[in-house]
Amino acid sequence: EAGVAQSPRYKIIEKRQSVAFWCNPISGHATLYWYQQILGQGPKLLIQFQNNGVVDDSQLPKDRFSAERLKGVDSTLKIQPAKLEDSAVYLCASSLGTGTDTQYFGPGTRLTVL
Amino acid sequence: AQTVTQSQPEMSVQEAETVTLSCTYDTSESNYYLFWYKQPPSRQMILVIRQEAYKQQNATENRFSVNFQKAAKSFSLKISDSQLGDTAMYFCAFMKWSRDDKIIFGKGTRLHILP
Repeated sequence: EAGVAQSPRYKIIEKRQSVAFWCNPISGHATLYWYQQILGQGPKLLIQFQNNGVVDDSQLPKDRFSAERLKGVDSTLKIQPAKLEDSAVYLCASSLGTGTDTQYFGPGTRLTVL
Repeated sequence: AQTVTQSQPEMSVQEAETVTLSCTYDTSESNYYLFWYKQPPSRQMILVIRQEAYKQQNATENRFSVNFQKAAKSFSLKISDSQLGDTAMYFCAFMKWSRDDKIIFGKGTRLHILP
C-alpha cells in the first residue's frame, strides 16, 4: 500500500514570494491534515479536512495561508506571501476516518524563506 | 487548553539498553488519548503506541511500553533492548475524546542509540 506522498521535498524562496505544497493521501482515507513543524518543536495542526470539507482551520493564518482538497483526494497548501517565520517542515497526514483513527504521515516539505 | 511537556530535549543510550522517555500533560478532560510518535532522521513520522485514558492497563507494542499514571498526568515511554534503528525524535501527544479534535504534540525528545 502506497503511503502519503508529498511534493516538493524541499523549497527555498524569498520572503514575499508564493509557494504551494501538494499532498496525495493514502487511497480511501477520508481525513487529511496539514501540520507545520518549526525546528525544535512538535507539529502544529494547520487544517483538517474530512473528505473535501474543512473540519478545523482554527490555527491556519488565513491572511496568508490557504488550502483546498478538491474531490476529497489530493490537497494543496499555499502561502502567499511568505514570511521568514514560515520556514518550517510542512507535514501532510491522512487517516481512514475521524481524528481517533491512526494518522499516517508523509515525508514532509522543508520550506526555507530567505 | 491542553499542554504536553517533554522535559528531556535529548538522550543517548547504548545499544541493547533500556531507556525511558518522560512526558507530562495537563488537561481537565477525563477521557482522552495519549500517543507516542517516532520521527526518524528521514522525517516520516510514525505512531509507536497509543493509550486510551479509560484503560488502566498500560499499552505495549513489542519492545515499546508505556507507564500511564492518570492521576499524576504522566505518560512515559520505555524502550527495551534498544536498537540503532530506534534513533529518532520521539513526540508525546494528546487528543481529547472527541470525534474531530486535534492532536497536541510535545516538543520532542531526540534519542540517540549508540553502537
